[in-house]
Amino acid sequence: GAVVSQHPSWVICKSGTSVKIECRSLDFQATTMFWYRQFPKQSLMLMATSNEGSKATYEQGVEKDKFLINHASLTLSTLTVTSAHPEDSSFYICSARLGGLKLGNQPQHFGDGTRLSIL
Amino acid sequence: KNQVEQSPQSLIILEGKNCTLQCNYTVSPFSNLRWYKQDTGRGPVSLTIMTFSENTKSNGRYTATLDADTKQSSLHITASQLSDSASYICVVSARTGGYNKLIFGAGTRLAVHP
Repeated sequence: GAVVSQHPSWVICKSGTSVKIECRSLDFQATTMFWYRQFPKQSLMLMATSNEGSKATYEQGVEKDKFLINHASLTLSTLTVTSAHPEDSSFYICSARLGGLKLGNQPQHFGDGTRLSIL
Repeated sequence: KNQVEQSPQSLIILEGKNCTLQCNYTVSPFSNLRWYKQDTGRGPVSLTIMTFSENTKSNGRYTATLDADTKQSSLHITASQLSDSASYICVVSARTGGYNKLIFGAGTRLAVHP
């Protein structure tokens, strides 16, 4: 079945560091990828929607200069947390869907997440 | 406001027993409803996807139901196993502005004990 690979799975770094997280769709082309953030015992919160070859659409309250998203190909999207601080520590999960946003009944496949810890 | 509410918040059952998780939603216009299983420290894995016209859908020991009139869904787990311990998330897809957006519930944390 469809697989979404996320890397790295765990990052610990100092405050002020920029961290890049990769999300790859391994056996299908994902026109649309999504980035979520999840705090302990809470559900996933959508941060941004990424379309291949165009600028990402950010949810209200998400700083686009803080969370840089690049969707350069149909199989790769990256999220860069710039100048990370302890409050950015969280579980970041990407998701990919075959086809575009209008294909609403297509399954959405999730990566295994990246646990980011900022000291 | 589009919302998805799940109950109970957490549940403990003994191995081999059945259980039912509930999901109520106020999402409009409705596109589809999904149930996901999320193991601790992992990403969600899809269990079922149901559209408006589907009342029930099974995936092994998991059976989901949907009542689009009352805007309720349930996930029934039969003969639970220790590996069923996870969070179960109800997600409703809303069609807004020509696109579909997923609305996530907070999840039900299930613990299966031997």
